Amino acid sequence: EPEVTQTPSHQVTQMGQEVILRCVPISNHLYFYWYRQILGQKVEFLVSFYNNEISEKSEIFDDQFSVERPDGSNFTLKIRSTKLEDSAMYFCASSGTGYRNTEAFFGQGTRLTVV
Amino acid sequence: QKEVEQNSGPLSVPEGAIASLNCTYSDRGSQSFFWYRQYSGKSPELIMFIYSNGDKEDGRFTAQLNKASQYVSLLIRDSQPSDSATYLCAVTRYSSASKIIFGSGTRLSIRP
Repeated sequence: EPEVTQTPSHQVTQMGQEVILRCVPISNHLYFYWYRQILGQKVEFLVSFYNNEISEKSEIFDDQFSVERPDGSNFTLKIRSTKLEDSAMYFCASSGTGYRNTEAFFGQGTRLTVV
Repeated sequence: QKEVEQNSGPLSVPEGAIASLNCTYSDRGSQSFFWYRQYSGKSPELIMFIYSNGDKEDGRFTAQLNKASQYVSLLIRDSQPSDSATYLCAVTRYSSASKIIFGSGTRLSIRP
């Protein structure tokens, strides 16, 4: 069964460093997402991506964040100058095989720890 | 007002009984409704989705949608200990179909 894969599963970084989280969405999906979940809190929307551009982004997704689809399979989230409060689980998801967006499937997540 | 509201629980249900999980949403423009299950430390796993008013059944799960009352529910029949998890209600809106908004989740515990 197709699945969304994320790497790495756990990333530890020093405050102020840049990190890149990687995702391979389900191959025929057209919509890609990044969500984050701070420990004990709700799943929060960061950004959605469709047709090689950002569709929507939340207020969390400021200039510190960027997304890219560098090739036909990968979808990345870059966090510049990480802060302690960026520590969270980051989930990639994908959905939609046609014009209508449908249910989203999540990857297993990357646990980011900023020290 | 939160966009998607759920009772945080925990909801404790005996094994074999029916678990009933509820969710309300604030935006009448919401179009698609999802239930995800999340085990501790794991990612959300889609278990049901519903787009139209009424009931939708899939195995032991039934999703119910009432757009007039702005609520969506999930029934789990013959509850098993493996159903113990946090259940997340999520919605999308016509105005922003690519943004899935999650509730805070209801923690369900199935007691043997």
